[in-house]
Amino acid sequence: AQSVAQPEDQVNVAEGNPLTVKCTYSVSGNPYLFWYVQYPNRGLQFLLKYITGDNLVKGSYGFEAEFNKSQTSFHLKKPSALVSDSALYFCAVRDPDTGGFKTIFGAGTRLFVKA
Amino acid sequence: GAGVSQSPRYKVAKRGQDVALRCDPISGHVSLFWYQQALGQGPEFLTYFQNEAQLDKSGLPSDRFFAERPEGSVSTLKIQRTQQEDSAVYLCASSPQTGVGGEQYFGPGTRLTVT
Repeated sequence: AQSVAQPEDQVNVAEGNPLTVKCTYSVSGNPYLFWYVQYPNRGLQFLLKYITGDNLVKGSYGFEAEFNKSQTSFHLKKPSALVSDSALYFCAVRDPDTGGFKTIFGAGTRLFVKA
Repeated sequence: GAGVSQSPRYKVAKRGQDVALRCDPISGHVSLFWYQQALGQGPEFLTYFQNEAQLDKSGLPSDRFFAERPEGSVSTLKIQRTQQEDSAVYLCASSPQTGVGGEQYFGPGTRLTVT
């Protein structure tokens, strides 16, 4: 069965410091992986995805994520955090081999960036 | 252009009432998804449409839940005989792609409260 874990409910980082939001997954086949962000009073917005190819994917707003098959991880990173990055972040996975169109979301990680 | 819209934004129903939630996807998007998001959790997949065809309804929690997209654009999620456990935010998302690798564009959600 597919599953996603975001082990941290909350991540705190100072503005200008690098940030990492962790995600691990479990699927039976090769995963399709996604990150979404939810700002207050707004819908979820797509940040980036990994389908195949280069393990390091770059997305919107300077975010990037690295697919690590051996560790079954897809951590979200940004070299220098901004206060405006404060939001709720969701990791999501699809199993194209057995999971159909179902997307499994993690519980979310709240990121606080302090000025 | 216009994003995904959902109506109503808030709905209060007495237990046992039927409700209908509407989703207007981005024009031209062939894929449409419904999710249920409980407080403090990530979205949970309910069902998927490709144009007017409902290709995956594996996430619908009971036969009280029914979704349709008769003309391949607007979709309605109907919940019959609502129960308190149905209280949640219902999210709609659309995608221009038909494959499982596409990113999704989310609406603001409908918050359903069953009293």
